[in-house]
Order: sequence, then C-alpha cells, then structure tokens
Amino acid sequence: DTGVSQDPRHKITKRGQNVTFRCDPISEHNRLYWYRQTLGQGPEFLTYFQNEAQLEKSRLLSDRFSAERPKGSFSTLEIQRTEQGDSAMYLCASSFSVSHNSPLHFGNGTRLTVT
Amino acid sequence: KQEVTQIPAALSVPEGENLVLNCSFTDSAIYNLQWFRQDPGKGLTSLLLIQSSQREQTSGRLNASLDKSSGRSTLYIAASQPGDSATYLCAVQGSSNTGKLIFGQGTTLQVKP
Repeated sequence: DTGVSQDPRHKITKRGQNVTFRCDPISEHNRLYWYRQTLGQGPEFLTYFQNEAQLEKSRLLSDRFSAERPKGSFSTLEIQRTEQGDSAMYLCASSFSVSHNSPLHFGNGTRLTVT
Repeated sequence: KQEVTQIPAALSVPEGENLVLNCSFTDSAIYNLQWFRQDPGKGLTSLLLIQSSQREQTSGRLNASLDKSSGRSTLYIAASQPGDSATYLCAVQGSSNTGKLIFGQGTTLQVKP
C-alpha cells in the first residue's frame, strides 16, 4: 500500500491555459474522488468514479472541467481555459466500497496557481 | 442540504492541555462521521471514523464522540503536544451510497511549547 499519489504537486499556469492533473489511487480501491480546497476552507466535492464510471458530478464542476478514469485505475482532471478563480488545492481520494463505512484515503494534492 | 460547522475556527493552547474540538451537522441521516488532520500544504490524514450506530471511537490520545440525534461530534485530544499543531477537519457521509463526504471548514490548532 503506497497510498494515493498525485502529480504534479504544484502547478503554476497563466490564465487561459489548460492544465491536467493525475491521481493514482490505492491499487485495490474501486472508488476515486476529486475534491477542491481553497485557503481556510474544507474540501468541496467535485466528482467521483466507481471503477471507470463517473457516477456523480458537483455543480462546482463547470464545463471547463473534465475528469476521466480509463480502465478504472488512475484518473485525470483537466481544466480548460483556466481562470484565477480556479486557483486551489485539488485533492484526490480513494476507497474500497465493500461497506458504507470504508474510510477515504487522500493524496497530498496538487496546488494550482493561475496568474 | 447537509451543512457541517466547526467551532472554533482557531485555537491556541499551551502544551499539556486537554482540549475539545466541536463539529455540528444539520442532517442526522448519516452513515458515518470522520475526523481528519491536515498539515500545511499537505493532504488529509484520517484520524477516526465513527459509524452512525456508534457513540465514540478512540485512538491513542484521541477520542471522538458522536450524538447523531443532536447533530454533534467532538474530538477530544488529551495531553496536547506541539506535534498536534495542524488543522482538524470533520466530515459526514450522508445516506446515499456514494461515500461522498461533506466537510466542515476546519479548526486550526496551535499547541505552544
């Protein structure tokens, strides 16, 4: 169990550019979640996958955001035409859905700064 | 709509003190409540998970309680140490089977040597 891995740790981009983040969950975990966290706030749910199926998306996820989880393993989160308001920490988490009470395991996040 | 509130937003205590962090939630229909720790610039580390049928969970110097009917949870930290300085977040998993968590805004704890 190597934990949830996220890449890159930090990303600085100019407004209008596209960015893509990657998350590698714990290998046996079938559920994968993306959250966004701004300074001084708790994480906010963006979307989640069970295996390769994206089952829920938050209203926070505008049409500039897209997430994929091909083959039910790693996931990518892409933001197109970035805006300064997209600056945040993007957190990935995974769990094993054997019961309602499986804890979520979080990665260390990708901090995005849009200038 | 579920809302989670944590009070206080920040807390500073001298080393060795026992302390309590509070969490409240508006919808009592939950599967579980989890407490996490977050160090600056890092991800979240799970501390304790209390199932809806449980009243409390303990791990070392940490004890978390849950009163579902009143929509409250507390995290008790005994004999605080400078290494406990971090932001503590509580989160509830609602009654849908998605595993999705709704978080409070956190309590930032500073333990002074």
